[in-house]
Amino acid sequence: GAVVSQHPSWVICKSGTSVKIECRSLDFQATTMFWYRQFPKQSLMLMATSNEGSKATYEQGVEKDKFLINHASLTLSTLTVTSAHPEDSSFYICSAQRGDPTETQYFGPGTRLLVL
Amino acid sequence: AQKVTQAQTEISVVEKEDVTLDCVYETRDTTYYLFWYKQPPSGELVFLIRRNSFDEQNEISGRYSWNFQKSTSSFNFTITASQVVDSAVYFCALSEAGSNYQLIWGAGTKLIIKP
Repeated sequence: GAVVSQHPSWVICKSGTSVKIECRSLDFQATTMFWYRQFPKQSLMLMATSNEGSKATYEQGVEKDKFLINHASLTLSTLTVTSAHPEDSSFYICSAQRGDPTETQYFGPGTRLLVL
Repeated sequence: AQKVTQAQTEISVVEKEDVTLDCVYETRDTTYYLFWYKQPPSGELVFLIRRNSFDEQNEISGRYSWNFQKSTSSFNFTITASQVVDSAVYFCALSEAGSNYQLIWGAGTKLIIKP
């Protein structure tokens, strides 16, 4: 168990458009979901933490109006990159966690976003 | 100061060799958790192990083994008889109450297994 899916796996879009990325926990209910961004050859950078039915908590420096997070159910969270620009091009990866905050985060396969 | 240090940026070995990836952590909490994840070229992060601070027993899972030593604040990962499929970036991470149990990541070690 503990499978997390992410869709799409890659997306290419024009500057100014919005892109939605879905993160689903397939075989468990996720108390919390996380969104990370990873630059090439670097570690993961936490963008935000979301709990079902609550507003997401964004990390310092992350624009909440640029990166909209919706956590509609215990198995689905979405990240929308609004008015994407080339500097938003990156690898976005989500994780899901069941139970309390000390539990393991299980990661999705990631989404590669390229903004032209 | 870094809370999780993976001093080895890149390691390259020939297949079937044993290899150890180092992880040194820093925390003031008495209760904390340590993790290892594997990130192959495809990008997905694969969970390998979670260890809490009260369990210092070493763990073995097939060719993988972990050595947790609180005295040296280390949680090292050894792959025996390495295989080409082990090639990946390996991340060590710390979760502690002082950081709201968010994962604090090491910089990662890129492991290259040559055939």
